[in-house]
Amino acid sequence: EAGVAQSPRYKIIEKRQSVAFWCNPISGHATLYWYQQILGQGPKLLIQFQNNGVVDDSQLPKDRFSAERLKGVDSTLKIQPAKLEDSAVYLCASSLGTVFLTDTQYFGPGTRLTVL
Amino acid sequence: AQSVTQLDSQVPVFEEAPVELRCNYSSSVSVYLFWYVQYPNQGLQLLLKYLSGSTLVKGINGFEAEFNKSQTSFHLRKPSVHISDTAEYFCAVSEGGGFKTIFGAGTRLFVKA
Repeated sequence: EAGVAQSPRYKIIEKRQSVAFWCNPISGHATLYWYQQILGQGPKLLIQFQNNGVVDDSQLPKDRFSAERLKGVDSTLKIQPAKLEDSAVYLCASSLGTVFLTDTQYFGPGTRLTVL
Repeated sequence: AQSVTQLDSQVPVFEEAPVELRCNYSSSVSVYLFWYVQYPNQGLQLLLKYLSGSTLVKGINGFEAEFNKSQTSFHLRKPSVHISDTAEYFCAVSEGGGFKTIFGAGTRLFVKA
């Protein structure tokens, strides 16, 4: 089966510019996650969707970050405007069911964002 | 609130030697525990997970981990490592009653010939 797809793989932007990342989860997976992984740290959850509803977005900087999951399938994560500290790898993951505490998460390859 | 500490940021080891990667967590409620591996330029993939039952969990690629509730630990072990095991390993915890999984900072395993 196809894995989690993400694009682009790499992005370099100037601070104060906007950027968007796209994620296509594994077919049939109800839950979708966006994580931020700063160099030398573990992934930090930004937002979690169950189908097209938000389960948790408590660590999403809502003044500059937004995310949507239309029709409960693909998702986009946007940063507007970007700051230097947003430089990180943005990981998308999906899991099959709605028992998210115990489900296995399947991760995409990530998008490496560099903000200059 | 839960937290995860991976005690070693880097672990160098010779091929065919045993290895242990340490993970401690803090939580006052029941937990579910995971180890993920990240190979260079790839996404994370699940090695193993503890949900309930036997405290010794076996995973893929010959790895195993033991849940120790009294010491709040979930250390990952492999009796004999290969060059191909070189990767970053993340311990993660989900807390009963919560919604999300918390990841540790990772341990980079270097296997030398």
